Amino acid sequence: DAGITQSPRYKITETGRQVTLMCHQTWSHSYMFWYRQDLGHGLRLIYYSAAADITDKGEVPDGYVVSRSKTENFPLTLESATRSQTSVYFCASSTRGQDYSYEQYFGPGTRLTVT
Amino acid sequence: AQKITQTQPGMFVQEKEAVTLDCTYDTSDPSYGLFWYKQPSSGEMIFLIYQGSYDQQNATEGRYSLNFQKARKSANLVISASQLGDSAMYFCAMREETIQTGANNLFFGTGTRLTVIP
Repeated sequence: DAGITQSPRYKITETGRQVTLMCHQTWSHSYMFWYRQDLGHGLRLIYYSAAADITDKGEVPDGYVVSRSKTENFPLTLESATRSQTSVYFCASSTRGQDYSYEQYFGPGTRLTVT
Repeated sequence: AQKITQTQPGMFVQEKEAVTLDCTYDTSDPSYGLFWYKQPSSGEMIFLIYQGSYDQQNATEGRYSLNFQKARKSANLVISASQLGDSAMYFCAMREETIQTGANNLFFGTGTRLTVIP
C-alpha cells in the first residue's frame, strides 16, 4: 500500500516489557518523525531522522530508542515500558515539496496501553 | 516558553456560520512555516493549510483560510460556512529548521475542539 503505515494499530503491554512500534513509508521521504499525543499536550516530538542512519532526539526522548537502517522504515522501541508511556503514537514523514513547506504526512497512529 | 499557543480549548459554531480558531507562535527564526491540521474523532491527522513566513498573501484552501499577522505572530484559521463534518480537534503547528541535521521539526499547540451545532 502506498503511503505511511504503522503497526500494530493497538497494543497492550505490561510494565517493564520491551515493545517496538513500526513505521513504514513508500514515498522515499528523507525525514521521518515519531510523536506521542497525550490529552492536554497536543503532539510532542520523541525522535526524528533526517536520513538513513541519522537520528536525533526531540522534546521527549527518555525511555525510547529509534533506528533507521533503511529510508522507508523508522521503528520506535520502548526499552522497558512504563505506565507514563501509555499514549497514542504517530509516525510522520516529510520532504521539501515544491512549495518548500516540508509538510508532514502522518500515519494512522498506534494506541499503546501499558498496564 | 511555548512555541505554539492555542488559547481556545473548545469552540462552538452554528452550521453555515464562519469561525476563527486562534493560534499564536514564538520564534526568532526568520524562516518558518505554519500549519493547521484537523483530527476527527477517528484519530487521523489531516493537513488543512500551510503558510510560509515569507509568503505575502494569506493562504487559502477551499473553505479554509489562514489569517497571518506576522508582526503579531498570529496564524488564525478561519473556516467559512461551517459543516457538521468540521466538528473535530484542530491543531496549529510551526515548522522550524534544526540546524544540526537540516530536519524541519513541527511544534504543535494543544489544540482546539470545534463543535458545529446544527
